Amino acid sequence: ETGVTQSPTHLIKTRGQQVTLRCSSQSGHNTVSWYQQALGQGPQFIFQYYREEENGRGNFPPRFSGLQFPNYSSELNVNALELDDSALYLCASSPNQPGHTEAFFGQGTRLTVV
Amino acid sequence: AQKVTQAQTEISVVEKEDVTLDCVYETRDTTYYLFWYKQPPSGELVFLIRRNSFDEQNEISGRYSWNFQKSTSSFNFTITASQVVDSAVYFCALSEAYYGNNRLAFGKGNQVVVIP
Repeated sequence: ETGVTQSPTHLIKTRGQQVTLRCSSQSGHNTVSWYQQALGQGPQFIFQYYREEENGRGNFPPRFSGLQFPNYSSELNVNALELDDSALYLCASSPNQPGHTEAFFGQGTRLTVV
Repeated sequence: AQKVTQAQTEISVVEKEDVTLDCVYETRDTTYYLFWYKQPPSGELVFLIRRNSFDEQNEISGRYSWNFQKSTSSFNFTITASQVVDSAVYFCALSEAYYGNNRLAFGKGNQVVVIP
């Protein structure tokens, strides 16, 4: 068991609404990354947080935003939902160590936008 | 730009056969890291192996082995004596030191089906 937990596991939202997804990182891990995985595709990097600051962002519009809290847990917020936002959203945590250590992933949140 | 290509989308094998998954990557960085992850139907990505660009030594870990060749930008992965529990989607991923963070670029994945 990786220790990374995400909530909720499934969610259905209407186009135009806003959504917040949550992630608790593995104990001792201070870096959290978020990925979007469309059906049949590989995960796409959204952004990463380290010490409560965004530390790198992929090719996603500003309506995708995030937060990291002092206990290293994190939120992903998506505003003005579009149908194409339907995907599995994965959170990954890793320790801040040199050498790009492996990231440990949660089970994901399956978001459906209707 | 970083890019990972996994050409075969679905691979079916009979239990106990070996299965090799191909991965080709592109990077402008001289320092980078390569990974293989497994995604069972539950959705969670499970870390399998990691290799850095300075270590081309190929290893075997249990039923898993990998073949890293910088000359051809390939990082292939083999499951020996496959089992039904190996049925999953397998992703190759790349992380570049250039970005200063652990952002992973994934391939599209290989669906492995092990037939009993």
